Amino acid sequence: DAMVIQNPRYQVTQFGKPVTLSCSQTLNHNVMYWYQQKSSQAPKLLFHYYDKDFNNEADTPDNFQSRRPNTSFCFLDIRSPGLGDAAMYLCATSLDRGDYGYTFGSGTRLTVV
Amino acid sequence: GESVGLHLPTRSVQEGDNSIINCAYSNSASDYFIWYKQESGKGPQFIIDIRSNMDKRQGQRVTVLLNKTVKHLSLQIAATQPGDSAVYFCAEIANTGNQFYFGTGTSLTVIP
Repeated sequence: DAMVIQNPRYQVTQFGKPVTLSCSQTLNHNVMYWYQQKSSQAPKLLFHYYDKDFNNEADTPDNFQSRRPNTSFCFLDIRSPGLGDAAMYLCATSLDRGDYGYTFGSGTRLTVV
Repeated sequence: GESVGLHLPTRSVQEGDNSIINCAYSNSASDYFIWYKQESGKGPQFIIDIRSNMDKRQGQRVTVLLNKTVKHLSLQIAATQPGDSAVYFCAEIANTGNQFYFGTGTSLTVIP
């Protein structure tokens, strides 16, 4: 089935140690998004790629970076994770801008120790 | 560990009853509204949308109502089932074509 796949499902990293989360999609959607969701809060948009164009949210810390090497894959890099970065990280895709029926992955739960 | 989160508004409903989840929005220029459902351990799932030129839209067992006068949006779920237990998020969009931002969620618990 076409879907959005996030690996790993659970990730434990050390304070300050770089970590990469991955997302892949078989939908051939143009747009890919990364969200951060902390406990009992709404998902917060970090950035998105429209094709190869990177769009950063104004309040996304510099500690968070992203790469999209091709249509199917998108990575979230956290350069120096802090305790406050522990959260669920959700990847989503949409066919195009203005298409709001996003398809979300199941997320990667990041723990920082 | 994670930061302590805000407590989500919660609603409980008996299985088989109808449920209503409310959402207030802030931007009078918003012209498009959506509802998402997020079950525990899963990503959000699109449920239904409505444009500002409508005041009601129906889907399968769900109805969204829009009151632009008071900037209020509601989601009605008919004959609620245990599988409807989830957190429900509304979102408003001004200038369709831009990305949207989730509003505060409401946790719905269906009591068997």
